[in-house]
Parts: sequence; C-alpha cells; structure tokens
Amino acid sequence: AQSVTQLGSHVSVSEGALVLLRCNYSSSVPPYLFWYVQYPNQGLQLLLKYTSAATLVKGINGFEAEFKKSETSFHLTKPSAHMSDAAEYFCAVSVGRGSTLGRLYFGRGTQLTVWP
Amino acid sequence: DAGITQSPRHKVTETGTPVTLRCHQTENHRYMYWYRQDPGHGLRLIHYSYGVKDTDKGEVSDGYSVSRSKTEDFLLTLESATSSQTSVYFCAISESPGQGPTEAFFGQGTRLTVV
Repeated sequence: AQSVTQLGSHVSVSEGALVLLRCNYSSSVPPYLFWYVQYPNQGLQLLLKYTSAATLVKGINGFEAEFKKSETSFHLTKPSAHMSDAAEYFCAVSVGRGSTLGRLYFGRGTQLTVWP
Repeated sequence: DAGITQSPRHKVTETGTPVTLRCHQTENHRYMYWYRQDPGHGLRLIHYSYGVKDTDKGEVSDGYSVSRSKTEDFLLTLESATSSQTSVYFCAISESPGQGPTEAFFGQGTRLTVV
C-alpha cells in the first residue's frame, strides 16, 4: 500500500526565511512524487514533480524538492519566503501502472503562513 | 488555466436526495478524476475514468457513482446524499500517462453541503 505523510499541519515563517515542508512516502515500488499548492477557494496547482530523472527537482515560484530514497522523503523547500507563498501545500504520490498511473494519493496538507 | 468547469460551484441539499455534479473539460484529455477534500484528510480519490464509458473505483467510492458518455463530461452522482458526504469535490483531468504520470489539472471545486 502507498501512503503519504506530511509532518506538520501548520508551518509559520517570517518573510524572507527558509521554507521547509516535509513529506515522507511509503511505497513498495518506485514512486512518482508531486507537490501541489492550493490558494484559498481555488483548485490545486502543480508546483513540481519527481519522475525518476534528477533527484533534485525545481518547480515554479522558486520552490524545489529533493527525492531521498534512503529516507523515503520528498521535502519541499524555498530559500526565501514571500507573502504570496501563504497557501496550503499537498504532497502526493502515484505508484500505479497503466490506467492507474494517474491516480494520486495525497497527504493531509500543510498550511503555510508567512508573517511580515 | 486548463479548461475545466465544475457545476454547480455550491449546492445545499437534503439528506436522502440524489445529487449530480458535473465536470466539463475542453482539453480533450483522456483521464478524468473525482476527488473529495475534507479537513485533515487531504484529497481522496472517489472514481476516475480512463476513457468514454471506462471508469474505475478509487479509495472512497461507496455511495457514489459516475458516468462518462463523452470525452468532455464526467458526472458524479450521490445516489442518496448523507451528511458524511458534505465536502468539497474536485474534478481533475490528465493526458494519458506515458513512461510516467502526466500533470493533473484541477477544477475550482464544488462545495456540497448535505443537511
């Protein structure tokens, strides 16, 4: 079975500080991993994805994530937080094959607050 | 923005009534998904479709059915709504996966309240 654990349902940082959102996964096969962002009253938008190419993945808005197989982690980072980064962030995993490959299993989400 | 339209955007319904939510896409993507979002649970897959008339169950399919009679429309039906189905429902679309999954694009969501 596959699952995603996001450590910390709420993270608060000051503007300009490092953002670190944690994600660990459980999968019996090599996973595909994703980070999505959700702004209030909107749908989800893809930030970045890992598909077994480079382990360090760069995404939009200055975010990046590193796949660490030994730690089964895919933590999201941004060197300097901006007020506009305040949103909810979801880590997701896909481990299917064929027609099930697009099925996503989501973590519970981390609400990021950025203080001025 | 990907061309995904969910309707209605908000709905209040009574326990025991049937409800149908609609997802319409203009991207001609083969795959369509229905997720529900609940606080503390993230998003969970209800049903998905990998082609016209081809559907399969997700993690939380009990009490829901789906239909896809044409590429652009994917309907989610709550046969007899219950309070536990109060949630925000998201439709998503994606192209056929190749060597790996393709990006899923999400609609704006439908907020359903069952009273």
